[in-house]
Amino acid sequence: NAGVTQTPKFQVLKTGQSMTLQCAQDMNHNSMYWYRQDPGMGLRLIYYSASEGTTDKGEVPNGYNVSRLNKREFSLRLESAAPSQTSVYFCASSEGGTTGELFFGEGSRLTVL
Amino acid sequence: DAKTTQPPSMDCAEGRAANLPCNHSTISGNEYVYWYRQIHSQGPQYIIHGLKNNETNEMASLIITEDRKSSTLILPHATLRDTAVYYCIVNPLGARWGKLQFGAGTQVVVTP
Repeated sequence: NAGVTQTPKFQVLKTGQSMTLQCAQDMNHNSMYWYRQDPGMGLRLIYYSASEGTTDKGEVPNGYNVSRLNKREFSLRLESAAPSQTSVYFCASSEGGTTGELFFGEGSRLTVL
Repeated sequence: DAKTTQPPSMDCAEGRAANLPCNHSTISGNEYVYWYRQIHSQGPQYIIHGLKNNETNEMASLIITEDRKSSTLILPHATLRDTAVYYCIVNPLGARWGKLQFGAGTQVVVTP
């Protein structure tokens, strides 16, 4: 029972490079989310997808794009990475109804030099 | 959406109960109180949630005051593995998590 799986777990980029973080969930959840967490801070929402085919901006969307590829997968793309995007990125999913429980992946640690 | 206030840190002795307070004085009638925790470097983990009645599960108990302006998460017998950051969050019934924000939480350190 994998839950929420993120890849890669670690990545080092140079400024200006691009990359995509992948997220997949096997719980048949409707909603998926991308958060970032900087040292000593709480999680901040980047983008979310309430259901397949829809995406919406969160608190800190600048510099990112997302794709809800299908119900299982939600990817986060950095088109031109900047040192300010050095962070730990968490993907999460939820049924989206009244259960209120978010399931998180283990995180992807990104360093931009 | 209601905001929450938590102490930045607290210590607890192993085997003792840990009582984590949370203030949510602007909570609306349809907003649930949720608790999550994040053990170092891992993804956050759901603990418990409630509306107005006290709740208990295998991990913890949640006590919500009658006016719902504050709540307390109780870890009945803290272990070293309970060392984590604990987040108190409020969210409307049936709402998506899209607009939800996690604050800084309370860093709990359980000592031997």
